[in-house]
Amino acid sequence: SYVLTQPPSLSVAPGGTAKITCGGDNIGDTVVHWYQQKPGQAPVLVIYYDSDRPSGIPARFSGSNSGNTATLTISSVAAGDEADYYCQVWDTSGDHRGVFGTGTKVTVL
Amino acid sequence: EVQLVESGGGLVQPGRSLRLSCVASGFTFDDYAIHWVRQAPGKGLEWVSSINWNSATINYADSVKGRFTISRDNAKNSLYLQMSSLRPEDAAVYYCAKDRGSNPGHGCDIWGQGTKVSVSS
Repeated sequence: SYVLTQPPSLSVAPGGTAKITCGGDNIGDTVVHWYQQKPGQAPVLVIYYDSDRPSGIPARFSGSNSGNTATLTISSVAAGDEADYYCQVWDTSGDHRGVFGTGTKVTVL
Repeated sequence: EVQLVESGGGLVQPGRSLRLSCVASGFTFDDYAIHWVRQAPGKGLEWVSSINWNSATINYADSVKGRFTISRDNAKNSLYLQMSSLRPEDAAVYYCAKDRGSNPGHGCDIWGQGTKVSVSS
């Protein structure tokens, strides 16, 4: 089955830039979606189709995808960005299925 | 208001069954695929199942295949998850999530608040 690997945690100072990676075999050949989840809350879509932002998501959130790594970048990080972040793909090899990354806890120092 | 509201969670003994429901409002339900996603306590997100707009395409995670059945009633704006032969490892918060497309794979832009399932004797 397809596996998406993320770093377990990441710390960033306020105003800094957080880069969250999502590794998968030839992940650049598919589209990646990113979700933010704060404690006790449902996930929120922050990036879809590698780099598109839903309405209401600040331009500080951006994404890229190439080769074996997709990346979510959060610029000018604020305290409110502290959350868990998950990448996700739709795996069409064999039985079609959704796959989530292992998740990254972002801590704002 | 665009929303999804889950219900049906609770405490159930191993081996028993439970049916979850998800009611949609604020959007044209039968235009979109819908997913079930779960999250065990302290763990990450796990995709469980999806159903496309007209129920023609249904997919399951290997961990639930043969035990869980997803269905939808577009006339009632409702999604269901029939869970049988429940195991302790099925304990989680279960979310329903609307896909951006009529078939799965376009990102989930609307999520419910989740319903908690506990499996214990």
